[in-house]
Order: sequence, then structure tokens, then C-alpha cells
Amino acid sequence: SQTIHQWPATLVQPVGSPLSLECTVEGTSNPNLYWYRQAAGRGLQLLFYSVGIGQISSEVPQNLSASRPQDRQFILSSKKLLLSDSGFYLCAWSGTKNNYGYTFGSGTRLTVV
Amino acid sequence: EDQVTQSPEALRLQEGESSSLNCSYTVSGLRGLFWYRQDPGKGPEFLFTLYSAGEEKEKERLKATLTKKESFLHITAPKPEDSATYLCAVQFSGGYNKLIFGAGTRLAVHP
Repeated sequence: SQTIHQWPATLVQPVGSPLSLECTVEGTSNPNLYWYRQAAGRGLQLLFYSVGIGQISSEVPQNLSASRPQDRQFILSSKKLLLSDSGFYLCAWSGTKNNYGYTFGSGTRLTVV
Repeated sequence: EDQVTQSPEALRLQEGESSSLNCSYTVSGLRGLFWYRQDPGKGPEFLFTLYSAGEEKEKERLKATLTKKESFLHITAPKPEDSATYLCAVQFSGGYNKLIFGAGTRLAVHP
């Protein structure tokens, strides 16, 4: 069966520090991968999506970047964090040939101080 | 502009008190409408996918329906364990499987 792993679960980082969040998927090949951010009391905002290795599409201009170095690995990064980067970050995957929606990871709570 | 709006923002029910959550959408070429449940501090959990107007799906105390402009999530005789945030999302033609989410409805069921 397919599983998605996301870590760390919580992270407290100072302003100006770098960021690296990792997401890996098991049990499937060539998934579509997504990074979402959820601000407190708000809906999910799509940040990046990827349909293949090295293929990244950005939905909103921001202080973050994403990379997909391997088929089932998706990384969210920042060189210098801002206070506004605080939030709940979710990784998700979907199949390319079906429409069963997304499977989400457990999320990372990022607090920039 | 493609948009998904959920109402109410929050809902408080007594155990056993049935109600409905609404999700209205404005997208071109709907491919699917999805309902998720999200518990605090966790990722959303998939509930239903609806593809065409008139379609209905059921799971335990939950029933989702779809029209051309909106979807309803009906909760029959809810229990405290149904307390969560319920998210609606739509997928549209040409959207590369992207989902656009509503802000969610926070449901609290009290004994």
C-alpha cells in the first residue's frame, strides 16, 4: 500500500535561518506531488506541485522553493525564513492516471521566531 | 476566478442533532469535488469524491451530494467523535490534478 512520510512534525526556527522540509512517498511510482500551507483558521494554499523529477511549478510568489531530486522525494526549502513563513505545511501525492484525490502527510508545524 | 466557498465557518451541534455543511464553487470544467476531514494538528483525511450533478456518496453518518453549483455534506445523528474541520476541494479541467480548497467548516458536536 502507498504511504507518505513527512518530517519533522514540529519546527521552531529563527528569522533568517534556512529551512528544509522533506516528504517521501512509498508504494507508488511517478506520483504527482504537492506542497500546501495552511494558516491558522484558513484553508489550504497550494505552494508548489510537481509532475516529475526536476519539474516544479510554483503557484504563488514567495520566499520558498521546492525541489524533486528523486521520483518519490519532494523537498521544501528556504534560504532565509521570514516571520510570515510560519504555518502548517502539508505534503500530498496523487496518482497520475486516477482521480482518487490526494493523500496527505501528517504535516509540519513551522514557527518562525 | 476559480473559487470554493464553505459555510458555515463554524457549527456547533448537540449529539444526535442532524445538519448540513455547504460547499459552493465557481470553476470551469469541474472534474471532481472532494470532501476531507481534518483533525487538529493532522493532515486532511479523504472522505468522498463526487463527479457529476446528482451523485451521492455515503459513509456511516455522512452523506455527500452534488449539484451544478454546490455540494452538501449531511451529517445524520452526529456523535462527539465527528467533531473536526471538514474541507471541500474542487479539481478542474486543465488544472493538472490540482485541488482548490475552501476554508473549511469547524464542526463541534457536544454530548
